Amino acid sequence: DVKVTQSSRYLVKRTGEKVFLECVQDMDHENMFWYRQDPGLGLRLIYFSYDVKMKEKGDIPEGYSVSREKKERFSLILESASTNQTSMYLCASREGAEPLNTDTQYFGPGTRLTVL
Amino acid sequence: QKEVEQNSGPLSVPEGAIASLNCTYSDRGSQSFFWYRQYSGKSPELIMSIYSNGDKEDGRFTAQLNKASQYVSLLIRDSQPSDSATYLCAVNSGGGADGLTFGKGTHLIIQP
Repeated sequence: DVKVTQSSRYLVKRTGEKVFLECVQDMDHENMFWYRQDPGLGLRLIYFSYDVKMKEKGDIPEGYSVSREKKERFSLILESASTNQTSMYLCASREGAEPLNTDTQYFGPGTRLTVL
Repeated sequence: QKEVEQNSGPLSVPEGAIASLNCTYSDRGSQSFFWYRQYSGKSPELIMSIYSNGDKEDGRFTAQLNKASQYVSLLIRDSQPSDSATYLCAVNSGGGADGLTFGKGTHLIIQP
């Protein structure tokens, strides 16, 4: 079974703090993703990575950065947290984009971040 | 802009009946299609994936894909109260490592 873990289930931070969200997968997957999920807006892609030290912007990268120093770990960084970044953050991993039958994404349990 | 549309619901179905969930997508080049189930406060879990036109069955679940109509559906037979959840349709346009584009989900309620 694929296992994707996230460092915290719940996190409370103050405006302006630097926040690190960690994600680890144990299946040697190439691709990793960070999404946020908000009521009425659904799941939106923030950043993704297809290899170590490689990163690509998703649909809503503003206010975020990422780091992938090791294949199994993908970190999301909020440089200066703001209240509009209060959300559920979901990490996912995927073996590869080709062939198609390996492109399933598996999600971690999520981190509910509250910024006060 | 890639879009995936779902009726938000709630969709209310009696226990034992067939629940039918629908999804349309805008990117005609999409290659992979997924249904995820998400319980309140939990992360999405994969129910079905489908890649070619037609039906794909797995237990009580059947996914249907019609690329010409840009339409994908999920049928749940013999609905159980435990099937009550939000169902997310997701699409991958393929050709790279891009993330999925998700619909906003349909809230399904199975009435005992």
